[in-house]
Amino acid sequence: RKEVEQDPGPFNVPEGATVAFNCTYSNSASQSFFWYRQDCRKEPKLLMSVYSSGNEDGRFTAQLNRASQYISLLIRDSKLSDSATYLCVVKPGSARQLTFGSGTQLTVLP
Amino acid sequence: GAGVSQSPSNKVTEKGKDVELRCDPISGHTALYWYRQSLGQGLEFLIYFQGNSAPDKSGLPSDRFSAERTGGSVSTLTIQRTQQEDSAVYLCASSLGLGQGEAFFGQGTRLTVV
Repeated sequence: RKEVEQDPGPFNVPEGATVAFNCTYSNSASQSFFWYRQDCRKEPKLLMSVYSSGNEDGRFTAQLNRASQYISLLIRDSKLSDSATYLCVVKPGSARQLTFGSGTQLTVLP
Repeated sequence: GAGVSQSPSNKVTEKGKDVELRCDPISGHTALYWYRQSLGQGLEFLIYFQGNSAPDKSGLPSDRFSAERTGGSVSTLTIQRTQQEDSAVYLCASSLGLGQGEAFFGQGTRLTVV
């Protein structure tokens, strides 16, 4: 089983739609969680950290469910510019490196 | 510089040759990571440096791969006797340290082994 698993998609949604991605992780001792965004042929960039209480940044909401070991990302009122690959990232407690999921591809259609 | 700098941006090499990839992290960042990303795939961890501690080499796929970080700053990833399966984008990232804070990535080196 992969340490971090994501549905690869692709998710093709119309502008203005709400879309949600889930990510599961295998290490119950994981301490830190993030969503990164990667545009085509570009480097990954931090979108948002994920806190235990859940957090929101504009149209983006991230949630963590420790009991079920998954994190989610909700994008409301999607824009064309949201088209990208969204990477789920987990930092296991005993390790120092960030572990990346394979990413979920989102295309927002006009 | 303002961000993580990697060179070269593209490298085409013949199978069996050695290559060196360079990463210049953000000034003051003590943690430095190397990842590689094959086409359409996620990021595969290779190696991690933190300050003066021994590097975490657990992700290196074979003994043909090695990396060093001189003076706690610039890092070089060396691949000896390159194989076609080594073709990928090699990404370097740095952060303030100990997995804290945001990891900033360079634009990567696209390696093609022919």
